[in-house]
Amino acid sequence: GDSVTQMEGPVTLSEEAFLTINCTYTATGYPSLFWYVQYPGEGLQLLLKATKADDKGSNKGFEATYRKETTSFHLEKGSVQVSDSAVYFCALKDSNYQLIWGAGTKLIIKP
Amino acid sequence: KAGVTQTPRYLIKTRGQQVTLSCSPISGHRSVSWYQQTPGQGLQFLFEYFSETQRNKGNFPGRFSGRQFSNSRSEMNVSTLELGDSALYLCASSLASPPGLANEKLFFGSGTQLSVL
Repeated sequence: GDSVTQMEGPVTLSEEAFLTINCTYTATGYPSLFWYVQYPGEGLQLLLKATKADDKGSNKGFEATYRKETTSFHLEKGSVQVSDSAVYFCALKDSNYQLIWGAGTKLIIKP
Repeated sequence: KAGVTQTPRYLIKTRGQQVTLSCSPISGHRSVSWYQQTPGQGLQFLFEYFSETQRNKGNFPGRFSGRQFSNSRSEMNVSTLELGDSALYLCASSLASPPGLANEKLFFGSGTQLSVL
């Protein structure tokens, strides 16, 4: 079945560092891809999405490009802040319209 | 606009008991979906309701059930609780008029933390 694989965390960076969180997927067809973020004590929020190959989703300085050839949707940010500390989830919407989630990557940003 | 509201925020139960969790979606949202979040398994889809009908279901045993009312509020019930049911249960709502809009946005509640002793 469809699946999403994320890099294991936690990922610890210093403020203003460059961030990459890897996400690869396995799916039949052409799923839509999403990044959600979960701040401590809160529910998940949609961070960005891409619905077809080569689309780039962006929001709050984060970007991710839908790469069909490598089945990837890596999350990047040029300069992270302490307030970006959270758990990040990569997900795809499969042919049954269900969201399939990665395990989540905890990001810790140190001042 | 009020967000997705889940009650209660925390629950402690013992094995064998049953539990009911509640979710009030954003006003106007007709789709409600439920997820189980655990450190080991991550986020797993339980089921989705739209206009009082279950539209989609994940791979969970029959002990997990749900329903949706005419005002779109949803409840989730777990019977005969097991230790492994300890998790954060998240509810999400969306407009989702045609089934399975690929780019529909989900709005999540803060969850109900269930501990089974």
